Amino acid sequence: DAGVIQSPRHEVTEMGQEVTLRCKPISGHDYLFWYRQTMMRGLELLIYFNNNVPIDDSGMPEDRFSAKMPNASFSTLKIQPSEPRDSAVYFCASRRDRGSYGYTFGSGTRLTVV
Amino acid sequence: AQTVTQSQPEMSVQEAETVTLSCTYDTSESNYYLFWYKQPPSRQMILVIRQEAYKQQNATENRFSVNFQKAAKSFSLKISDSQLGDTAMYFCAFMKGYGGATNKLIFGTGTLLAVQP
Repeated sequence: DAGVIQSPRHEVTEMGQEVTLRCKPISGHDYLFWYRQTMMRGLELLIYFNNNVPIDDSGMPEDRFSAKMPNASFSTLKIQPSEPRDSAVYFCASRRDRGSYGYTFGSGTRLTVV
Repeated sequence: AQTVTQSQPEMSVQEAETVTLSCTYDTSESNYYLFWYKQPPSRQMILVIRQEAYKQQNATENRFSVNFQKAAKSFSLKISDSQLGDTAMYFCAFMKGYGGATNKLIFGTGTLLAVQP
């Protein structure tokens, strides 16, 4: 199993540009999560999906952020327009529906907005 | 709402020694799960160990073990025979039991552990 795959690993963009982060969850996992990690706020849950349906997006900071999961093997997190305060590491994670299993995380995307 | 508190921002231990990282949590739930994640400099989040709240026996994974005190809402991680590769940020995390909106992992602020040669 290749694990949770995120791309790109690093992204540097100018303020005002659109940024798209991508995630491929582990096959067979029913849940997909997007987290943001910053020094100031730690790990924050932005949104999560169950069977491709968004369940809770209360952590999405504002309308500039959007996430989609068009199928079971792909999700995107989009920021438009990007701002310097969006600079962070963005993690995607997935898990199975049953049991006490924790999440399996991707290796994250480090986003820098200049 | 559930909260997870890690009161030790940084810790240091000598190689081959034992170290314990503290974690407390607050919840009114009776069914939940607790986790420790490790984040080395590579930034990959790695699951170290997990504990089901209904199990009284403390979880153990090789050199890693927990001390789960349900009444005190405490979940500490003990690392025995510390190795240089254990140098990382360690996060304690809570998840409510199965059912409904129970799949959120709530993280503490982390403890940065440095293993000294």
